[in-house]
Amino acid sequence: DGGITQSPKYLFRKEGQNVTLSCEQNLNHDAMYWYRQDPGQGLRLIYYSQIVNDFQKGDIAEGYSVSREKKESFPLTVTSAQKNPTAFYLCASSTGRFGNQPQHFGDGTRLSIL
Amino acid sequence: AQSVSQHNHHVILSEAASLELGCNYSYGGTVNLFWYVQYPGQHLQLLLKYFSGDPLVKGIKGFEAEFIKSKFSFNLRKPSVQWSDTAEYFCAVNKVEGQNFVFGPGTRLSVLP
Repeated sequence: DGGITQSPKYLFRKEGQNVTLSCEQNLNHDAMYWYRQDPGQGLRLIYYSQIVNDFQKGDIAEGYSVSREKKESFPLTVTSAQKNPTAFYLCASSTGRFGNQPQHFGDGTRLSIL
Repeated sequence: AQSVSQHNHHVILSEAASLELGCNYSYGGTVNLFWYVQYPGQHLQLLLKYFSGDPLVKGIKGFEAEFIKSKFSFNLRKPSVQWSDTAEYFCAVNKVEGQNFVFGPGTRLSVLP
């Protein structure tokens, strides 16, 4: 079955450490997205990519970085510069490059700070 | 900046009650509108969407939503809820010419058996 796979499901980070969240899709979608979900705030866009080797900052990109070397993969790195990284992170993808299609979501990664 | 508001943080209903969840957005241009649902322990999934045409759209599981352009609203309705509708519901807006989806804060629906 096609879908989006996020790993790991739970992740713990020490202070000052970078961590990378994986997102893989086999839906052949062009566009991929990373969101952060905090209680009472809904989803906020971190980064998105419309095509391989291209990505754009979303609303809360500071302290995060991404790459899009392959169509299927869009890993998110939470750097030590992100001062409040504890959250639930969701990856999504969609067909089409201009956001006119609904998004398909992964199951998410919950990141906590030790 | 574009924003999406949802009227209720938590709604509690008994089975068979009617449901209406409010959603308003701030962007004045042409938009695409979505409702997503997140059942407990599951990933977000699309409930319904509006791109153009008939402002009353029907989605899965008996849900429908009405786009009222003059009110910048896209309220979600269901005539008779079931216990299995217990979930969190998110309204989302996307500018037609853009890629940036904006989600509302979500409304948690609890349906009592």
